[in-house]
Amino acid sequence: NAGVTQTPKFRVLKTGQSMTLLCAQDMNHEYMYWYRQDPGMGLRLIHYSVGEGTTAKGEVPDGYNVSRLKKQNFLLGLESAAPSQTSVYFCASSYGKRYEQYFGPGTRLTVT
Amino acid sequence: GESVGLHLPTLSVQEGDNSIINCAYSNSASDYFIWYKQESGKGPQFIIDIRSNMDKRQGQRVTVLLNKTVKHLSLQIAATQPGDSAVYFCAENMSDAGGTSYGKLTFGQGTILTVHP
Repeated sequence: NAGVTQTPKFRVLKTGQSMTLLCAQDMNHEYMYWYRQDPGMGLRLIHYSVGEGTTAKGEVPDGYNVSRLKKQNFLLGLESAAPSQTSVYFCASSYGKRYEQYFGPGTRLTVT
Repeated sequence: GESVGLHLPTLSVQEGDNSIINCAYSNSASDYFIWYKQESGKGPQFIIDIRSNMDKRQGQRVTVLLNKTVKHLSLQIAATQPGDSAVYFCAENMSDAGGTSYGKLTFGQGTILTVHP
């Protein structure tokens, strides 16, 4: 049982490039989330999904897109990266609305 | 918008002491609260949670207290150990006016706990 895994662990992009971050969970959780964490700050919700085929916007969705084609995977896309998107990205999953969220190890993204 | 905040950004204690980390929240509609521990370079790790119909919940060496009257949450760590050194976040799960919640958590800024041997 690997829990929540994220790919890649590190990435450097140039402004304007695109990329996709992959999150996978093997706990059969319905809910999945993408957060970003900037230095000295808490986590901010980007997008989330309450089930396969569904997605919704969180607190800071601009510049990101997501897809949940399979229950176990939640993809976060950056179509045209900007330096303001330099951050650590965390994926999480949970069994339901009022249950703990399990976090992945994070992806450190730098946009130059 | 309303958000969760912490009173103290840093806390230093001696090994063996008890630690108390505080958190204030402003949204009376929040019905579920979680404490997370985050070590350097790692993702947040669940410590303990509490629902709004409870005032206190205990885990292994940790206790969470919820005071809905003053909208205050605290995490107590008994016999603090060097391995407890980390950043601690509180998070709240807010329901909308209709009582619907999608598990969207709002995180506080975090408190750095340093335990000295």
